[in-house]
Amino acid sequence: DAEITQSPRHKITETGRQVTLACHQTWNHNNMFWYRQDLGHGLRLIHYSYGVHDTNKGEVSDGYSVSRSNTEDLPLTLESAASSQTSVYFCASSAAIRASGPDTQYFGPGTRLTVL
Amino acid sequence: DQQVKQNSPSLSVQEGRISILNCDYTNSMFDYFLWYKKYPAEGPTFLISISSIKDKNEDGRFTVFLNKSAKHLSLHIVPSQPGDSAVYFCAARPDKLIFGTGTRLQVFP
Repeated sequence: DAEITQSPRHKITETGRQVTLACHQTWNHNNMFWYRQDLGHGLRLIHYSYGVHDTNKGEVSDGYSVSRSNTEDLPLTLESAASSQTSVYFCASSAAIRASGPDTQYFGPGTRLTVL
Repeated sequence: DQQVKQNSPSLSVQEGRISILNCDYTNSMFDYFLWYKKYPAEGPTFLISISSIKDKNEDGRFTVFLNKSAKHLSLHIVPSQPGDSAVYFCAARPDKLIFGTGTRLQVFP
């Protein structure tokens, strides 16, 4: 069965460290997204990609970067982790062409990141 | 400025009754609206969607209503079951999804 996985599921790091969160999907979807979930804010878009070598900034992209070298993976990197980046991070993917259909996104299980 | 708002952070409903979750939006250019359900320690899962050209979409126990003049949509769950207890997010898209803050639904016996 096709799926989307994230690793690690839990991560504790220190302020200033570089951290990379992995996201891997076997749906063969063109579109991939990274969100963070915080109390009172719902899900906020960090970065997204509509295909290999395509990356775009979302609503809360400062301090984060992504790269898309293949269809299956979109790793999220925190260049220098800050306490404000303590959150739950979700990766998602979808098949829809940008402007057609409801763009149903399929989410991974999430990564809980704590920055001390 | 939040374009998609869920003003009720929580809702408690008895099993067998109707659950009504509400969502308001500000952008008249949204063309699709979606509802996602999220259990603790899991990712959100897609529940139901509606196009802006429709006013109702039904899937089993779940019905979504769209009132474009009021910029309001609602999710009805009938009858509610304990397994429906979760956080529900509404989302809207002009091109990317914009999520509301979520409503925690608790269905008690």
